[in-house]
Amino acid sequence: EVQLVESGGGLVQPGRSLRLSCVASGFTSADYAMAWLRQAPGKGLEWVGYIRDRSFGGTSEYAASVKGRFSISRDDSKGIAYLQMNSLQTEDTGVYYCTREALTDIRFFDYWGQGTPVTVSS
Amino acid sequence: DIVMTQSPDSLAVSLGERATVNCRSSQTIVHRSNNENSLAWYQQKPGQPPKLIIYWASTRVSGVPDRFNGSGSGTEFTLTISSLQAEDVGLYYCQQYYNDPLTFGEGTKVEIK
Repeated sequence: EVQLVESGGGLVQPGRSLRLSCVASGFTSADYAMAWLRQAPGKGLEWVGYIRDRSFGGTSEYAASVKGRFSISRDDSKGIAYLQMNSLQTEDTGVYYCTREALTDIRFFDYWGQGTPVTVSS
Repeated sequence: DIVMTQSPDSLAVSLGERATVNCRSSQTIVHRSNNENSLAWYQQKPGQPPKLIIYWASTRVSGVPDRFNGSGSGTEFTLTISSLQAEDVGLYYCQQYYNDPLTFGEGTKVEIK
């Protein structure tokens, strides 16, 4: 059974950093691009970024709203994807979801984690 | 960026009746690899993550009831629930995956009348 389990969320002050983790199981995560999406309280879905699988060089892309502040990495030996969030702002508050791209280089998402909440507040 | 516009914001339908959610993209989203429309639909129930139900605008995910149908082309797309059931209540989002940044519609809330 495919599972994605996020952790690392919490309350953080503006300007600080936080690292989220996503543990993948039930499939060979190294063969899939992984993405992070978020949902602000009472709002819709926003794509944050993704990291390609090894066959595509493991490179990453980001939404303009987080580019230069957030970075995604992966440890395929452990089946974990990370979202490093620096210089956090209040508008980064929301539930962060780890997802798996359903098809190679086709960016819709067939599995989602339950999400981890991030609150940026002083 | 491709803007995805959903309508209506919410709708209330009687059990067993048809529910229709619309999604418009600000440009065509035909994928170069297969000439299919790069559009997905997700269902989100309260307190749960989104669930993929339709991709390539009309391909239903395995296990999704056949009362869910996606259609459309060009820049106009539709999700139809042919006979609304109580368990279908929730938010529905469309997403384009034609190019980055990946973008979603604002969501449509489906309720029971």
